[in-house]
Amino acid sequence: QSALTQPASVSGSPGQSITISCTGTSSDVGSYNLVSWYQQHPGKAPKVMIYEVSKRPSGVSNRFSGSKSGNTASLTISGLQAEDEADYYCCSYAGSSTWVFGGGTKLTVL
Amino acid sequence: EVQLVESGGGLVQPGGSLRLSCAASGFTFSSYWMHWVRQAPGKGLVWVSRINTDGSTTYADSVKGRFTISRDNAKNTLYLQMNSLRAEDTAVYYCTRPGGSYAFDIWGQGTMVTVSS
Repeated sequence: QSALTQPASVSGSPGQSITISCTGTSSDVGSYNLVSWYQQHPGKAPKVMIYEVSKRPSGVSNRFSGSKSGNTASLTISGLQAEDEADYYCCSYAGSSTWVFGGGTKLTVL
Repeated sequence: EVQLVESGGGLVQPGGSLRLSCAASGFTFSSYWMHWVRQAPGKGLVWVSRINTDGSTTYADSVKGRFTISRDNAKNTLYLQMNSLRAEDTAVYYCTRPGGSYAFDIWGQGTMVTVSS
């Protein structure tokens, strides 16, 4: 049950696009299309932004998109806005009714 | 309104015990798997445990044998019994509900557990 690997931080200017990677193994990310992404603002509970690799919940901006290739999933945020500044976490089903999160990525909007 | 409200956190000495509760409302609690996720101060999210609708459970290796997840569908409440607590268990504990997929779409506000002498 090792954490998925995310970059500690990414940054971008308003209007730009950024991508956050999430690398797991063939036992989690690589085996299941059950990767989700969460946005967390300081002192707040996480909010799901993407589920099942690339699906957006109702109400989530279409500026958020997800993809997966092999053992690596990615979250792309286009048209960066100030309110996107937050911590982002990926999560994958890891089999045997267990889940694993990534270490988190701090997004700074310059 | 769909809502999860945790309670029961606090300060406990190493080796001690604590029971967290999570009161659910606004949805048919008995129809959903439920999970606990924790977050140590300044650190990332960590999955802790899951209970499904028939009561079967799974745990992260770090808490296996020390924590017990349970549910009372009549009271719409999820529990986490935490025994043999260690300093590294210090965290905000969130209860969370997965939606139709395996993603966690509803979260409580969290309850802080501090293990310290």
